Amino acid sequence: GAVVSQHPSRVICKSGTSVKIECRSLDFQATTMFWYRQFPKQSLMLMATSNEGSKATYEQGVEKDKFLINHASLTLSTLTVTSAHPEDSSFYICSAHNERGSTDTQYFGPGTRLTVL
Amino acid sequence: GNSVTQMEGPVTLSEEAFLTINCTYTATGYPSLFWYVQYPGEGLQLLLKATKADDKGSNKGFEATYRKETTSFHLEKGSVQVSDSAVYFCALSTGGYNKLIFGAGTRLAVHP
Repeated sequence: GAVVSQHPSRVICKSGTSVKIECRSLDFQATTMFWYRQFPKQSLMLMATSNEGSKATYEQGVEKDKFLINHASLTLSTLTVTSAHPEDSSFYICSAHNERGSTDTQYFGPGTRLTVL
Repeated sequence: GNSVTQMEGPVTLSEEAFLTINCTYTATGYPSLFWYVQYPGEGLQLLLKATKADDKGSNKGFEATYRKETTSFHLEKGSVQVSDSAVYFCALSTGGYNKLIFGAGTRLAVHP
């Protein structure tokens, strides 16, 4: 089946530092990947759509200069949280669309828990 | 706008009990509907989906029917197991693989 990995699974950083999270599709190519944020006991909120070779599309209210997204290859997208603050602490989840699979199915990574001290 | 509403949890059941988790949606056009499951410590997994009215999605004993007249996609299972304990998310997509919109999630706890 389609597998998506994320690295790291957990990260703790100091306020003001930047953190990079990787999302990889392991056994398929993904022209489109999605980044979500999940608060405790709440649903996933779409942050942005990452397209290989082009700029990401951000949802309303998401600061593109704070959450930098790069989709440099068909199997890798990265999310960088710049100048992180405690309110950025959250569970970040990526998903990828398998371009050879069903057009409406996304495959999710296991998530990255970010804690900003 | 498009939205998904699902019943609040937690839902606590004994093993072999019948499960229903309600989900209703609001959408323009004709959405595809999904149930995703998130087991403890793992990422979301697609459980089942339906792409048009009256379709029934089914998997692992779970099923849900796309009801356009009631804008619902309720999840059911006839006999739950302890291993079904997880958080279940109802979601919709209104076009291709664009933008999944999730409900708040319902936590299910099944006890022996």
